[in-house]
Amino acid sequence: NAGVMQNPRHLVRRRGQEARLRCSPMKGHSHVYWYRQLPEEGLKFMVYLQKENIIDESGMPKERFSAEFPKEGPSILRIQQVVRGDSAAYFCASSPITSQETQYFGPGTRLLVL
Amino acid sequence: EDKVVQSPLSLVVHEGDTVTLNCSYEVTNFRSLLWYKQEKKAPTFLFMLTSSGIEKKSGRLSSILDKKELSSILNITATQTGDSAIYLCAGSTVGNYKLTFGKGTLLTVNP
Repeated sequence: NAGVMQNPRHLVRRRGQEARLRCSPMKGHSHVYWYRQLPEEGLKFMVYLQKENIIDESGMPKERFSAEFPKEGPSILRIQQVVRGDSAAYFCASSPITSQETQYFGPGTRLLVL
Repeated sequence: EDKVVQSPLSLVVHEGDTVTLNCSYEVTNFRSLLWYKQEKKAPTFLFMLTSSGIEKKSGRLSSILDKKELSSILNITATQTGDSAIYLCAGSTVGNYKLTFGKGTLLTVNP
């Protein structure tokens, strides 16, 4: 069984560019969560999605950040006009419908904004 | 705001030692407490605790939840160098299942 897949694993962007981070949940999982880990900080919840629905985006910055989980394909976290403060590790997790808080994490995308 | 605090922040031990990692939580609409091990990549799920006082074990690792004290401990016996990692504790919330993480305990096991 493949685990949660994220790509790219490393992403370098210049200030003002867009970053697109992808997450494919584990097979059979229909819930996706995005977390951000800043240097010296713990993992912070950003958004919780089910297929075609955003359930909770209370942790998302109000501007420049968006997330989707389409009917087909991976979940996408999109950051527009990146700034240096967006540099962080972005982790995706998925869970089965039978145990939604048992979240399995992907390897993360390390975003570096120059 | 929900909060999870872990202690100690870091710990250095020798192989064979037993360690106890602590986690306290203040989570509104608390549902369960989870422990993860994070090496250089993805946090790996260890335990989920929902009921107070019931110990969960997996090999040399065990954990227990105290809902009265709003805390949990993770024990590792006969530590090995492969146990070196950051151990993360998180509280989950009823309804949206979002996890609130602590900053982790960095465990270093020296040979």
